[in-house]
Amino acid sequence: DAGVIQSPRHEVTEMGQEVTLRCKPISGHNSLFWYRQTMMRGLELLIYFNNNVPIDDSGMPEDRFSAKMPNASFSTLKIQPSEPRDSAVYFCASRGTATNEKLFFGSGTQLSVL
Amino acid sequence: AQSVAQPEDQVNVAEGNPLTVKCTYSVSGNPYLFWYVQYPNRGLQFLLKYITGDNLVKGSYGFEAEFNKSQTSFHLKKPSALVSDSALYFCAVRGLYNFNKFYFGSGTKLNVKP
Repeated sequence: DAGVIQSPRHEVTEMGQEVTLRCKPISGHNSLFWYRQTMMRGLELLIYFNNNVPIDDSGMPEDRFSAKMPNASFSTLKIQPSEPRDSAVYFCASRGTATNEKLFFGSGTQLSVL
Repeated sequence: AQSVAQPEDQVNVAEGNPLTVKCTYSVSGNPYLFWYVQYPNRGLQFLLKYITGDNLVKGSYGFEAEFNKSQTSFHLKKPSALVSDSALYFCAVRGLYNFNKFYFGSGTKLNVKP
């Protein structure tokens, strides 16, 4: 099993540009989570999906952030337009079932907005 | 509301010595508690969890954690530290009513010196 796969590993962009982060969860997992990690705020849950449906997006900081999960094997997190304060490491995680509390994290995308 | 606190930003131990990484929780109801480890440039990895039952939980890589209800603590322990244990450790609690929400602590950096 390849685990949760995120791309790109690093993204450097200029303020105002659109950024798209990608995630492929573990096959068979039906829950997917997007987290953001910063020194100041630690690990924050942005949004999660169950069976490809967004359930709770209360952690999404602003309307500039959006997430989709068009199918069970792919999700995107988009920031448009990006701002320097969006610089962080963005993690995707997946989980098998609601009764299995164990989260599997990807290696993250390091985003730098200049 | 569910939350966990990690009172120490950093813990330093010598290789071969026992280590403890502290976590306290604030939960209404029975807590579902977790420890995750993050190595540099990697996503978080599950170490162990407490759901119910024995207060001493054993996990990966020789780690264990002790659940103490009276002190509302869930400290991570290892009898003999290895240099390779050096990493960032996160305590987490699952949401009481929302099984998809996990609340992470701020993390503790463990430094094991040879």
